[in-house]
Amino acid sequence: DVKVTQSSRYLVKRTGEKVFLECVQDMDHENMFWYRQDPGLGLRLIYFSYDVKMKEKGDIPEGYSVSREKKERFSLILESASTNQTSMYLCASSRRGDGELFFGEGSRLTVL
Amino acid sequence: ILNVEQSPQSLHVQEGDSTNFTCSFPSSNFYALHWYRWETAKSPEALFVMTLNGDEKKKGRISATLNTKEGYSYLYIKGSQPEDSATYLCAFMGYNNNDMRFGAGTRLTVKP
Repeated sequence: DVKVTQSSRYLVKRTGEKVFLECVQDMDHENMFWYRQDPGLGLRLIYFSYDVKMKEKGDIPEGYSVSREKKERFSLILESASTNQTSMYLCASSRRGDGELFFGEGSRLTVL
Repeated sequence: ILNVEQSPQSLHVQEGDSTNFTCSFPSSNFYALHWYRWETAKSPEALFVMTLNGDEKKKGRISATLNTKEGYSYLYIKGSQPEDSATYLCAFMGYNNNDMRFGAGTRLTVKP
């Protein structure tokens, strides 16, 4: 059974803390994505990666960075969390080309 | 930022009704259009991956059409059931990109 696993389902952090969200996929997919989901705004692309050590900015990269040191793992980093980063974060992966996205279960982050 | 728009934003129907939603996307540089279903407390799951103009795909009571020249896709649900209640997302992929851009979704509620 194919799987995308996100490290934490729920996190509560304080303003200014550094936050790591981890995502691992077991399908040998080239592409990996980080989205955030906010009510009424759908899924907005933060960063994506199409290969190891490669990364591309999405629509809302400000305040975030990413790391892809291994093919199966794509990490989202909030260097200094702020309250406006309170959101649901979804990781996804896909094959190169038009392949469908496989999503993790999401990480709900609350920044106080 | 690529504009992917979905309408309506939400929809309430009675069990047995048929319904349809619209996704509009940039007509230039098209590579693929995806439809996903996102049920509460679950991850989004792919319904269709569509790449050819005029494509029609069907899965049970759900079908989709694609017009790449005018930049729209329709999703149809025949004889809606309460278990069809979910948010339906479309996602656009441009030809030279590996990224996926989502619309804000259509939230469907089917009342018994």
